[in-house]
Amino acid sequence: SQQGEEDPQALSIQEGENATMNCSYKTSINNLQWYRQNSGRGLVHLILIRSNEREKHSGRLRVTLDTSKKSSSLLITASRAADTASYFCATDAYNNNDMRFGAGTRLTVKP
Amino acid sequence: GAGVSQSPSNKVTEKGKDVELRCDPISGHTALYWYRQSLGQGLEFLIYFQGNSAPDKSGLPSDRFSAERTGGSVSTLTIQRTQQEDSAVYLCASSLVINSNQPQHFGDGTRLSIL
Repeated sequence: SQQGEEDPQALSIQEGENATMNCSYKTSINNLQWYRQNSGRGLVHLILIRSNEREKHSGRLRVTLDTSKKSSSLLITASRAADTASYFCATDAYNNNDMRFGAGTRLTVKP
Repeated sequence: GAGVSQSPSNKVTEKGKDVELRCDPISGHTALYWYRQSLGQGLEFLIYFQGNSAPDKSGLPSDRFSAERTGGSVSTLTIQRTQQEDSAVYLCASSLVINSNQPQHFGDGTRLSIL
């Protein structure tokens, strides 16, 4: 079963705008990861944030984690058409081994 | 190869037939995972391997599904007596070790269509 739930399910923005996607989960976690999936391809790992971290940056990506609210957000700044993809969060709430993925947010960036 | 390789990339078969899906992980990765993704949906966890061992098989949807891994490398996911609801993309991933602090590296999947 899924652990993380992404919100919104779909997001459409113009190139240059920022995109924010949210992930909520139900039980305590050790680690939370964000992935991206282009149509017809496998998932690509973007960033990992540990439960004792509140924010991480990687290029135009910014991830925050609020363990008190059991939520995380992924911000993509200055979006590009090439950022069009589905974005998934994954958590390890069941154990410290495997990750469980949410249903994803489909991001469309219009040129 | 540099990445996770899955074969075949597409498989069309008739209901009731058996299918075998193959995953070749990144060399040296001891952890291997199988997921199922229905059209436009998220990933459904099926099973993971640490080496050749699969400690928890409860994610497999039914007893028609089985998976094995030999030599700590290649894994096969077998679906017996396929049903139309088995139609989906089957994704495989590997990571260096089995730990949630490790990124998973995914193949491009096998798109399975049951007629």
